[in-house]
Amino acid sequence: GQSLEQPSEVTAVEGAIVQINCTYQTSGFYGLSWYQQHDGGAPTFLSYNALDGLEETGRFSSFLSRSDSYGYLLLQELQMKDSASYFCAVRGGATNKLIFGTGTLLAVQP
Amino acid sequence: EAGVTQFPSHSVIEKGQTVTLRCDPISGHDNLYWYRRVMGKEIKFLLHFVKESKQDESGMPNNRFLAERTGGTYSTLKVQPAELEDSGVYFCASSPPGLASVKYFGPGTRLLVL
Repeated sequence: GQSLEQPSEVTAVEGAIVQINCTYQTSGFYGLSWYQQHDGGAPTFLSYNALDGLEETGRFSSFLSRSDSYGYLLLQELQMKDSASYFCAVRGGATNKLIFGTGTLLAVQP
Repeated sequence: EAGVTQFPSHSVIEKGQTVTLRCDPISGHDNLYWYRRVMGKEIKFLLHFVKESKQDESGMPNNRFLAERTGGTYSTLKVQPAELEDSGVYFCASSPPGLASVKYFGPGTRLLVL
C-alpha cells in the first residue's frame, strides 16, 4: 500500500524552531511537497523537493532523503500565525496526483 | 488574480439526494484536481482533468460520483445518490501546464449527508 506517516500534533513556543517529520512508502516517487492548512481552509503550498537536500524559503525549509524515504519541514522563528495543520504529500506517479499524509497539527504558544 | 473558487461552501442533504459541487480553477490552469477529506482522515485524491479530458480517475470511490469539465474551464462533481459516508470536505485544486509540482487549492465544499 501507499502511506505517509507524520506526527499528529506538535506544540512549540513563539520564536522557537520546530521540525515536522514525514516518512513515506509509495509505489512511485516524483517529489515531496508540504502544504499548510489553517482552520480547515484551503491547503496552501509551502515547498517541493524532488531531489535530496535542503530547500529554504524564508523561515521555512524542507529536506528530503530519497534513500531513507524521509523528509521534514523546518519552521524557524515561530509565530502565532504558524499555528495550523501541515501536510506532507508525495507526487506518486507519472500522473500528477498527490498522496497526502494525515497531517500534523502545530500549536504555537506564547 | 482570483484563486480557485468552489461553490457551495457548505451543503447539507439527506441520504439518497443528489448534490452537485462546482469548482472554478485559476484562469489558464489546464490541470484540475478533485480531492476529498473525510473526517479525521487524510486528504485523498479523486481525479485529475487536463483541460476537458480525464487524465486519472483512479480515486473515484464508485459510480455514484460523476465529474465533468465541459469546455475545459470549470468542473462539476455530482454525487447521486448521496450516502452517509460521502460526508466530508471536497477540495478542488488547479495547476498551470508544466508546473504540476505546485497545486493551488480552493477553500473546499463541506458536505454533510444526513
